[in-house]
Amino acid sequence: EVQLLESGGGLVQPGGSLRLSCAASGFTFGNYAMSWVRQAPGKGLEWVSAISDSGSNIYYAASVKGRFTISRDNSKNTLYLQMNSLRAEDTAVYYCAKFTSITGKYFDYWGQGTLVTVSS
Amino acid sequence: QSVLTQPPSVSAAPGQKVTISCSGSSSNIGKHYVSWYQQLPGTAPKLLIYDNSERPSGIPDRFSGSKSGTSATLGITGLQTGDEADYYCGTWDSSLSAGVFGGGTKLTVL
Repeated sequence: EVQLLESGGGLVQPGGSLRLSCAASGFTFGNYAMSWVRQAPGKGLEWVSAISDSGSNIYYAASVKGRFTISRDNSKNTLYLQMNSLRAEDTAVYYCAKFTSITGKYFDYWGQGTLVTVSS
Repeated sequence: QSVLTQPPSVSAAPGQKVTISCSGSSSNIGKHYVSWYQQLPGTAPKLLIYDNSERPSGIPDRFSGSKSGTSATLGITGLQTGDEADYYCGTWDSSLSAGVFGGGTKLTVL
């Protein structure tokens, strides 16, 4: 059974930093791309970033480019999101998602999410 | 403002059919496969449809998807109260080199 478990969320002041982690199990982590998707309170889904299976290809939404860094450790089956220069508008539940891109590109498994609140 | 456009809400009676539209452009839906996600209240999104019309294992055939040009449609037949949720379309955008979602559609089963 595929499981994705996010951690690292919490309350942080504007301008601060936070690192999210996503522990994966139930599939061969190193064979799949992964992604982060966020959802602000009461709002829709917003794609944040994606990383290829080897980590060699990385993509970011314009809203986080230059502030967030996605990475992965295939030896630890773990995905990360380093978030710097946080703003109030980054407040959201952050979901880790397994990203399949054989034919189409889609998110076939999601974690339960971790809440990030940016506030003074 | 989302890159993909969905109606904010749709509603229908139990047992009826409903469709949810998703409109995009030549750089996203016009070029890439579309997926659909169901988000029940208070839970994480769940994949409903991938590659425009394919259903993952465990998704009933009451759910269907189609795509034509730069638009896609999710269909749900035999509506049940348990189908009340937010539904999102998603795809890749080649111009943005980014994943994109619709703004979401809230389904109410009256």
